[in-house]
Amino acid sequence: DTEVTQTPKHLVMGMTNKKSLKCEQHMGHRAMYWYKQKAKKPPELMFVYSYEKLSINESVPSRFSPECPNSSLLNLHLHALQPEDSALYLCASSQERRVVDIQYFGAGTRLSVL
Amino acid sequence: GESVGLHLPTLSVQEGDNSIINCAYSNSASDYFIWYKQESGKGPQFIIDIRSNMDKRQGQRVTVLLNKTVKHLSLQIAATQPGDSAVYFCAENPGNNDMRFGAGTRLTVKP
Repeated sequence: DTEVTQTPKHLVMGMTNKKSLKCEQHMGHRAMYWYKQKAKKPPELMFVYSYEKLSINESVPSRFSPECPNSSLLNLHLHALQPEDSALYLCASSQERRVVDIQYFGAGTRLSVL
Repeated sequence: GESVGLHLPTLSVQEGDNSIINCAYSNSASDYFIWYKQESGKGPQFIIDIRSNMDKRQGQRVTVLLNKTVKHLSLQIAATQPGDSAVYFCAENPGNNDMRFGAGTRLTVKP
């Protein structure tokens, strides 16, 4: 099983709303990632968690707040987003960050900010 | 900074033909490469990977070639099928498992 599950699949929110994206994997992976993908562009790395600790924050604005409650779950909390934040948000996982290996992706959450 | 790029943004092939998608990379420290397929409305799906100590790796109907001399990567798809229509990304890993994606190539298979 190489499944990464993301919920919700679609989300529409206003600029004053607070929402959360969720990601779950049961492959025993200890590295989890958030990517942002704009239309017709490649995924761009946002955050990396390794053993439930934040390893990388790629200069992402503070209106995006990641959280890793346990080794299987990854959340992305959203607050006061801008219309330009509308994109596909992808979660991925891999065995360990230190081990160069395949990253498995979820189907993504398509976010629209009005 | 250094980046991964693709030579062709779009590729159209006839069903049954072979497809070749190219990728240039510039980070000489990269030692691991992955090809992903992304269909509309889905996340990237792993196709095949190759490490820098190899020149070629074959999977089912797919072959990845790595030319470290010219920093070039290619994905060959044999007997291309309509289900192969998607955007294909190459991604490089400089060693810390932080993948960097190329721009992507849209493959369209004509019946």
